[in-house]
This record gives sequence, structure tokens and C-alpha cells, in this order.
Amino acid sequence: DAGVIQSPRHEVTEMGQEVTLRCKPISGHNSLFWYRQTMMRGLELLIYFNNNVPIDDSGMPEDRFSAKMPNASFSTLKIQPSEPRDSAVYFCASSTTGGESQPQHFGDGTRLSIL
Amino acid sequence: GDSVTQMEGPVTLSEEAFLTINCTYTATGYPSLFWYVQYPGEGLQLLLKATKADDKGSNKGFEATYRKETTSFHLEKGSVQVSDSAVYFCALRNSGNTPLVFGKGTRLSVIA
Repeated sequence: DAGVIQSPRHEVTEMGQEVTLRCKPISGHNSLFWYRQTMMRGLELLIYFNNNVPIDDSGMPEDRFSAKMPNASFSTLKIQPSEPRDSAVYFCASSTTGGESQPQHFGDGTRLSIL
Repeated sequence: GDSVTQMEGPVTLSEEAFLTINCTYTATGYPSLFWYVQYPGEGLQLLLKATKADDKGSNKGFEATYRKETTSFHLEKGSVQVSDSAVYFCALRNSGNTPLVFGKGTRLSVIA
């Protein structure tokens, strides 16, 4: 079975450019989560969706960050304009809402470097 | 709110040593508990879980028992290998509609 698929795996871009990260959740999963991981701050939850609806975006650091989920099989996280402090590994995860025993399944992440 | 506290790393062990990584939690209700492992350059992978008190989760030689009386879920392995070197995260989930709450992770290095 295909797991959570993220693209690109690596992204290097210059400060001020727009960055778009993509995620395809596991088929049948109806919750999707975006995380950011850095050495300094560890793993941070940015936003999550249930049934394509954003539920909690309180972890989004600034208005430069936005996330969408236009359908059950696709989500994007966009940074515009990007800054060097946005450099991190961004993970997408998905799960079912079948109760608290359901784990989250993570993608392999996008390693983002802003120069 | 709900929270998870893990022992700070890094933890460095020799091959075949016994491993314990402590994890305690604070939560309302009866959460499910999880251990995830993150190998270098990869995402988090579910290692094991337990969904009710006294349950024992196990996988790949790792074990953890859900102890409600001490609100703990310590990870153990009897004999670690170099390939176990990774970051280990303890987590809880209190509701199917909410995200997992993660600890800060514990880095394990196993040397030959």
C-alpha cells in the first residue's frame, strides 16, 4: 500500500521566492496534518484538517504560511515570501478518525533550504 | 492540556546493552499511547502502541506497557543493535479527531 507521499523531497530556493510543498495522504484517511521539524524547536504541528476542512491553524507561524486541502487526496503548504528561518524539514501525516487508537502515518518529508 | 514528557537525550549505549527510554504523560480521559521512531533522513514511523491500561505494545524487540497508575509508557529493549540508532518519540492521542501530542524525542546512539 502506498504511504503518505510528499513532494518535492528537497527544495533549495532563494529568500523571497514562493515555495509550495505537496502532500498526498493515504487513501481513505480523512485527517491530514502538517508539521515542521528543526533542531532548535523540534517537531511542531502547523495545521490540521478533518474531512478537508482546516480545524486548527494556530501553529502556523505567520501569515506568510498558508495551507489548503482542495480534495481528500491532496494538500499544499505554501510559504510566500520565504525567509531563511523557514529552512526546516516539513512533514505531512494522515490518519483516520476512527478513534483515539488510530496512529498518524508520516511521509518522508520535504527538506527545505532557503538561501 | 495533554502533554508528554520524555527523558532527555542523547542516550549512548554499547551494542547488546539494555535500553530504557522513560515517558510519562498528562491527559484527561483514557488516551492511547504510541512510540514512534525516526531514522536519519526519514519520517516518523509507528513502532508500537497500546490502547488501554496494562496493555503491552511490542515490535522489533521493543516493548512498552501502558501504566495508568504511574501515567507512564516506558520503552524497553533487551539488547540494542547499531541499527537501532535513531530518535524515539513518545506520543498520546485522546480523541480520534485531534492530533497526536508528541514528546520532544530522545536520540539514541548505539556503538559497536
